[in-house]
Amino acid sequence: NAGVTQTPKFQVLKTGQSMTLQCAQDMNHEYMSWYRQDPGMGLRLIHYSVGAGITDQGEVPNGYNVSRSTTEDFPLRLLSAAPSQTSVYFCASSLQGAEPQHFGDGTRLSIL
Amino acid sequence: GIQVEQSPPDLILQEGANSTLRCNFSDSVNNLQWFHQNPWGQLINLFYIPSGTKQNGRLSATTVATERYSLLYISSSQTTDSGVYFCAVEGRGSTLGRLYFGRGTQLTVWP
Repeated sequence: NAGVTQTPKFQVLKTGQSMTLQCAQDMNHEYMSWYRQDPGMGLRLIHYSVGAGITDQGEVPNGYNVSRSTTEDFPLRLLSAAPSQTSVYFCASSLQGAEPQHFGDGTRLSIL
Repeated sequence: GIQVEQSPPDLILQEGANSTLRCNFSDSVNNLQWFHQNPWGQLINLFYIPSGTKQNGRLSATTVATERYSLLYISSSQTTDSGVYFCAVEGRGSTLGRLYFGRGTQLTVWP
């Protein structure tokens, strides 16, 4: 099993550009989440999904969209990038609620 | 959401020393996890411990759910233990599946 795979690992964008961060897991996990990590902070939840076709907002959802068309994939979309979205983004998955969450290696995103 | 507080924020140790990291949380939780973020930024799952005590080599963790805290013990620390240690809790009911993180403890172990 590859676990949780995030692509790309690094990305630089200009303000106003759009992009999609990819997240895939091969563990047949129902729950998937996106977090962002800013310097000196813990991780904060952006969006999460408890199964295909179901998504919900976390603590910091503004400026991000998600969809969950398959169990394996949970892409995160930035529609119009802003410098405040410069961060490290982590995707996580778990079999269901109240189970250990497994994290990808992160995507380092810089917006100029 | 659930508030998670970790202490101390920074910890500097000499190799071989022991340490205790603390995590307090503000509400009842379904589970609690301890993570180590290594210098490459990877989050390594150390413990999944909603209650009780677990041990893994030189590391052990205890969660007292009724009193809303957890402790992570590191014995005979090594330079490879350096990094940031995060505590994260998962809520119940409508917050099931959502992890709330503390700000972490930055541990530096000197040879």
